[in-house]
Amino acid sequence: DSGVTQTPKHLITATGQRVTLRCSPRSGDLSVYWYQQSLDQGLQFLIQYYNGEERAKGNILERFSAQQFPDLHSELNLSSLELGDSALYFCASSPPQGPYEQYFGPGTRLTVT
Amino acid sequence: EDQVTQSPEALRLQEGESSSLNCSYTVSGLRGLFWYRQDPGKGPEFLFTLYSAGEEKEKERLKAKLTKKESFLHITAPKPEDSATYLCAARNSGGYQKVTFGTGTKLQVIP
Repeated sequence: DSGVTQTPKHLITATGQRVTLRCSPRSGDLSVYWYQQSLDQGLQFLIQYYNGEERAKGNILERFSAQQFPDLHSELNLSSLELGDSALYFCASSPPQGPYEQYFGPGTRLTVT
Repeated sequence: EDQVTQSPEALRLQEGESSSLNCSYTVSGLRGLFWYRQDPGKGPEFLFTLYSAGEEKEKERLKAKLTKKESFLHITAPKPEDSATYLCAARNSGGYQKVTFGTGTKLQVIP
């Protein structure tokens, strides 16, 4: 158990809908990262937050957005969902001091039908 | 642009047959090289951090080593429970110290 929690574990929804994925980082970690992993694909970095502020953006679609709240939990919002958005979505957190290794949550499996 | 390349893509070993996985990296000022293990449908599990060329770390049957351009993950006498995808990632020295992941090596250990 990495100490990073994600809810829900599974999500099934229809095309065009909007969903919210939630992540709580490990105690003491200030950074939160979101990744997408499609079937048998590598990890695609989406976005990073540090202590409530956006730090870096990767391959995140305009239909996707995220935020980190004062209690450091983070939410990833996915809207106008398409079949191709079906994937595992992982959240990771890292400590405030180097080397900033990332600890991953168990993931949310999103299925868009 | 930072790049991390892992080889082979897949590796099939007999139980007890030792081998190495390779991770080649090109990053601006390496600030850490990380190894992770990922089981199907699960989040990656952190294994090691390596900082500088020549550094080695061990954990059970796994031994990781870093050179100036590559890292190797050697698996000694693997067991079926070592079957997983092994991911390598490199952190650069840029403004927010971006981490780049490789696509992984899928290891299967056959009894």
